Amino acid sequence: SQQGEEDPQALSIQEGENATMNCSYKTSINNLQWYRQNSGRGLVHLILIRSNEREKHSGRLRVTLDTSKKSSSLLITASRAADTASYFCATDATSASKIIFGSGTRLSIRP
Amino acid sequence: EAGVAQSPRYKIIEKRQSVAFWCNPISGHATLYWYQQILGQGPKLLIQFQNNGVVDDSQLPKDRFSAERLKGVDSTLKIQPAKLEDSAVYLCASSFIDRAMNTEAFFGQGTRLTVV
Repeated sequence: SQQGEEDPQALSIQEGENATMNCSYKTSINNLQWYRQNSGRGLVHLILIRSNEREKHSGRLRVTLDTSKKSSSLLITASRAADTASYFCATDATSASKIIFGSGTRLSIRP
Repeated sequence: EAGVAQSPRYKIIEKRQSVAFWCNPISGHATLYWYQQILGQGPKLLIQFQNNGVVDDSQLPKDRFSAERLKGVDSTLKIQPAKLEDSAVYLCASSFIDRAMNTEAFFGQGTRLTVV
């Protein structure tokens, strides 16, 4: 079963704009992770945010976590064509050390 | 550091045939996962190993899927017999648990299976 749900399912923006994706989950977590997947390729780990953290930055990425609402957001600033990919949130639940993925957001960057 | 290796990259088989996928995790990673990713969906966890023991296989269709991780290193995932709905990308991942008990998974490129 899917733990997380991403919103929106698909997003198309102009190059240079910011892209925001949201993730909601169901159970208590140790951490939440965001992954990127280019078409036909494997998953690439982007960033991990621990349950006791509220915000984390990595380059053009900004992730927030609200454990009271069981939600997270991924912001990509100054988007580039190379950011076109599917983005997944994944949760590491406290009840068991397994990583469960959401359904993903397909991001398209228009030139 | 070498990543997670999977083979083959692609496989086309007829329904009711058998198929096997192989995964070599990152050295030292005790946890190994197999995920099934159907086109347009997120990865679905099939089975998780801790060393050579099964931690979770609740989503594995055990009537046709089997997996093993002999010696706690390499792993194989088998489908026998395959059905059309098994067409998907099969992803292997491995992970370690850091001092703060956080898990980060590293993925292989996957095996794309087409059942015709």
